Amino acid sequence: GQNIDQPTEMTATEGAIVQINCTYQTSGFNGLFWYQQHAGEAPTFLSYNVLDGLEEKGRFSSFLSRSKGYSYLLLKELQMKDSASYLCAVADSNYQLIWGAGTKLIIKP
Amino acid sequence: IAGITQAPTSQILAAGRRMTLRCTQDMRHNAMYWYRQDLGLGLRLIHYSNTAGTTGKGEVPDGYSVSRANTDDFPLTLASAVPSQTSVYFCASSDDSYNEQFFGPGTRLTVL
Repeated sequence: GQNIDQPTEMTATEGAIVQINCTYQTSGFNGLFWYQQHAGEAPTFLSYNVLDGLEEKGRFSSFLSRSKGYSYLLLKELQMKDSASYLCAVADSNYQLIWGAGTKLIIKP
Repeated sequence: IAGITQAPTSQILAAGRRMTLRCTQDMRHNAMYWYRQDLGLGLRLIHYSNTAGTTGKGEVPDGYSVSRANTDDFPLTLASAVPSQTSVYFCASSDDSYNEQFFGPGTRLTVL
């Protein structure tokens, strides 16, 4: 079957760095997406990886290893507004997104 | 409007009633999607449309139907609502099926 695993909840301190991991098993692979979702709001796109390696975009970076079925999202210089859920999603062989349950990130002052 | 809109924002519905959730985008995106989001679960795809005039079934299509008469609109219909359809429903669109998806604000539906 298809499966996306990510931690349910993480806590970090304002100004610090946090890494959110995602492992996947899917029928085919056409890229991995990270989305941010604040409570009560819609998901918004953060990053897309289709090749192995690190993609950096400001304070956020995303890494992919296709051979290991593994990705992580790295958030630097954490701000209180980064408190949200972070959703990992993989595009399968039909380009349909398979979603993880999300990681709720709590930022403490 | 700019982006993707959904209506209603929230709705309480008696079991057995028929309900249509509306979704409209003005980005001229080819692909549109309907998801449901339940606590502790990932977003689950209900139905999708890769282009106007075509639709397909997602992971959890039973009890739902869609139509795509034009590029902008993608309504989702619950023919006879049941309590297990209580959820938050998100509509999304993308330029093509392999691009990032843009989400509407969601509809919170409660079926009693």
